[in-house]
Amino acid sequence: NAGVMQNPRHLVRRRGQEARLRCSPMKGHSHVYWYRQLPEEGLKFMVYLQKENIIDESGMPKERFSAEFPKEGPSILRIQQVVRGDSAAYFCASSTQAGAYGYTFGSGTRLTVV
Amino acid sequence: QKEVEQDPGPLSVPEGAIVSLNCTYSNSAFQYFMWYRQYSRKGPELLMYTYSSGNKEDGRFTAQVDKSSKYISLFIRDSQPSDSATYLCAMSAGTASKLTFGTGTRLQVTL
Repeated sequence: NAGVMQNPRHLVRRRGQEARLRCSPMKGHSHVYWYRQLPEEGLKFMVYLQKENIIDESGMPKERFSAEFPKEGPSILRIQQVVRGDSAAYFCASSTQAGAYGYTFGSGTRLTVV
Repeated sequence: QKEVEQDPGPLSVPEGAIVSLNCTYSNSAFQYFMWYRQYSRKGPELLMYTYSSGNKEDGRFTAQVDKSSKYISLFIRDSQPSDSATYLCAMSAGTASKLTFGTGTRLQVTL
């Protein structure tokens, strides 16, 4: 039973490019969450999605960031025109419909903007 | 003031010691409390999950929640070098809601 799969593990982008981060939830999990972890800081909530719906995007920056969880395929976190301050570890987590027993996190994508 | 406060450490203890990790919070709506362990350059791994006040034990780990004081604790008995990691507390108001994390406490268990 594979866990939450995130790819790529490492991503390097030049300033102004686009970054696409992918997340496949655990089998049977229909809720996906994205978190960002900056150096020396805790994880910060970004967005909560169910299939084809954004439920809570209160943690998403207003510009350049978007997320989707289509009917088929992984969830995608997209960052347009990346800046140095976007460099961070981005973690995806998934949970069952009831959210029981907490989330399961993936291993993260480490984005470096040069 | 942050919603969740956690001492970043580092906390260094000898092997076999009892470790106490703590978080305080300000949002009285939080009802679900979790502890995660995160090894360097890895994703957080769920250790303990507690609803409302009380104690929960799982092997060497005990989680305590005191909602009246807005204070949660994680105790690790007979600590091992493999317990060396960053421990993150997290909490939410609902089961399928966003988590609010503490900044994490770095623990080092020495031989």
